[in-house]
Amino acid sequence: DAEITQSPRHKITETGRQVTLACHQTWNHNNMFWYRQDLGHGLRLIHYSYGVQDTNKGEVSDGYSVSRSNTEDLPLTLESAASSQTSVYFCASRVTLNTEAFFGQGTRLTVV
Amino acid sequence: KQEVTQIPAALSVPEGENLVLNCSFTDSAIYNLQWFRQDPGKGLTSLLLIQSSQREQTSGRLNASLDKSSGRSTLYIAASQPGDSATYLCAVMAIQGKLIFGQGTELSVKP
Repeated sequence: DAEITQSPRHKITETGRQVTLACHQTWNHNNMFWYRQDLGHGLRLIHYSYGVQDTNKGEVSDGYSVSRSNTEDLPLTLESAASSQTSVYFCASRVTLNTEAFFGQGTRLTVV
Repeated sequence: KQEVTQIPAALSVPEGENLVLNCSFTDSAIYNLQWFRQDPGKGLTSLLLIQSSQREQTSGRLNASLDKSSGRSTLYIAASQPGDSATYLCAVMAIQGKLIFGQGTELSVKP
């Protein structure tokens, strides 16, 4: 079955380290999104992409970057991890802006 | 700036009751609105998608309505069951290409 997978599911890292979270979807969806979910803030958009070589900043993009070299993958990189980036990260994809969005199971990141 | 609000933040009902969850948004320029369910520690599961030109969508015991002009959507759950206990999130797909979420309603259905 087609799906969207995130890895790792859990990660602990130290302040200042570079961290990359993976997101892979097998539906051939053009649109992919990264969110973080925190108590009191809900889901907030970090970055999104409409297709290969396209990336856009969301509302909380500082300290994060993404690249889209193929349709299936949108890795999220924390350039220098900070304690404020401790959160649960979700990746999502959809074929077009008019279709249903599907989410991965999330990555719980702890920065110590 | 598009803002999405869900009321109430939490709701507790006895099993079998019919209930309504509310979602409001500030900008009617949307492609669609989607309702999700999230169980504790899990990802988001899509429940219903309503296009901006539609008034409602139904799936089983769930019925979602959309009034774009007033910036409102409701999710109606019929004959609630303990298995319906979860957090329900609504999200609008804004014309600018961003999927914007509300804070969610935490539903508890008591046996």
